[in-house]
Amino acid sequence: SYELTQPPSVSVSPGQTARITCSGDALPKQYAYWYQQKPGQAPVVVIYKTTERPSGVPERFSGSSSGTTVMLTISGVQADDEADYYCQSADSSGTYVVFGGGTKLTVL
Amino acid sequence: QVQLVQSGAEVKKPGASVKVSCKASGYTFTGYFMHWVRQAPGQGLEWMGWINPRNGGTNYAQKFQGRVTMTRDASINTAYMELRSLIYDDTATYYCSREVGGSSGWPGWFDPWGQGTLVTVSS
Repeated sequence: SYELTQPPSVSVSPGQTARITCSGDALPKQYAYWYQQKPGQAPVVVIYKTTERPSGVPERFSGSSSGTTVMLTISGVQADDEADYYCQSADSSGTYVVFGGGTKLTVL
Repeated sequence: QVQLVQSGAEVKKPGASVKVSCKASGYTFTGYFMHWVRQAPGQGLEWMGWINPRNGGTNYAQKFQGRVTMTRDASINTAYMELRSLIYDDTATYYCSREVGGSSGWPGWFDPWGQGTLVTVSS
């Protein structure tokens, strides 16, 4: 079955830039979406259609793509950004949705 | 505002079934696919499948085919997910979520999500 691969953890100091990758063979064909999930809460989308930012999401969140890898970048990381981040996409046919394993962002 | 409200926590024995409900408000229920996603304690998100509330059509993740049934009652804007033959590893928080921005062959993203329903499988 199709899989998306994320690093388990990323650590940065406040004010630095955090970069979280997500790799999958079908990513050149399918959009990627990114969710932020804080403890005890449901996920919230922070990037849609690979590079678009929903209204209300801070400008420091951005998305990019290169080949079979997409990236979530958080510039000027703040303590409030500490959370789990998940990428979401689909297999090449668009039949099955898949989530990456999640990345725990720690703000040092 | 758009809102999804799920039913309360459940405790089930191994081999039993559980049915979780998800009541939608603030939008046209039949206009958007509804997905179900689960999350085991301390683990990641796992997609289970979707239902098209307009016609009841479904698509299930291969892992759950034969064990899950998604239904809806459009008259009361509510979607349901039933999981049968429960095992301990089915202990998880189950979420419903509305899909937005997708088209045939290109699934969209999920917004909003329900508050989650904790299902505990315990003898």
